Amino acid sequence: GAVVSQHPSRVICKSGTSVKIECRSLDFQATTMFWYRQFPKQSLMLMATSNEGSKATYEQGVEKDKFLINHASLTLSTLTVTSAHPEDSSFYICSARDGQGNQPQHFGDGTRLSIL
Amino acid sequence: LAKTTQPISMDSYEGQEVNITCSHNNIATNDYITWYQQFPSQGPRFIIQGYKTKVTNEVASLFIPADRKSSTLSLPRVSLSDTAVYYCLVGGYTGGFKTIFGAGTRLFVKA
Repeated sequence: GAVVSQHPSRVICKSGTSVKIECRSLDFQATTMFWYRQFPKQSLMLMATSNEGSKATYEQGVEKDKFLINHASLTLSTLTVTSAHPEDSSFYICSARDGQGNQPQHFGDGTRLSIL
Repeated sequence: LAKTTQPISMDSYEGQEVNITCSHNNIATNDYITWYQQFPSQGPRFIIQGYKTKVTNEVASLFIPADRKSSTLSLPRVSLSDTAVYYCLVGGYTGGFKTIFGAGTRLFVKA
């Protein structure tokens, strides 16, 4: 149980393109989803927290107009990197947790984004 | 949010028991302690979670002392495939289960 699916696993696109990444909880309802970014050899950096039906809460230094997050249902959250540039190239990872009790976060397998 | 501190790296040999300790001095009353394993180019994988004392599952044990200011992940009889980065996270109701990743511990298992 507790499977989180992230799609696509890899994206390569030109500078200026907008890229959408999907995060789905397959067998549970995710009241909260988190989006992280990870650079090579570094730890995960929390970008934003999204609760179903409400606006995402962004961490300090993360541009909300650059990284659009939508959490319209209990099983789906999307991250759109708008007008992507080479410096946005990174490994993006989502996680989701069931809102009941003390359930832990479960992570997707990440999306490798490469902007040329 | 509680900050966590772990050793940067550890080496071990196949078949040995590995214990990784995490320090979380400012853990809140409602916080749980969760450990994850991450392989390169993959998302972190849940290992174990606990609140106090000892928790055991099919892959690991988690030891939490009474003051809860630290925790120890115990991996029995590691194999080469256990080479990975291990993260200790602390979070709970108060913070909406938001968690901040520390640097993690790079475990290298040798033959």
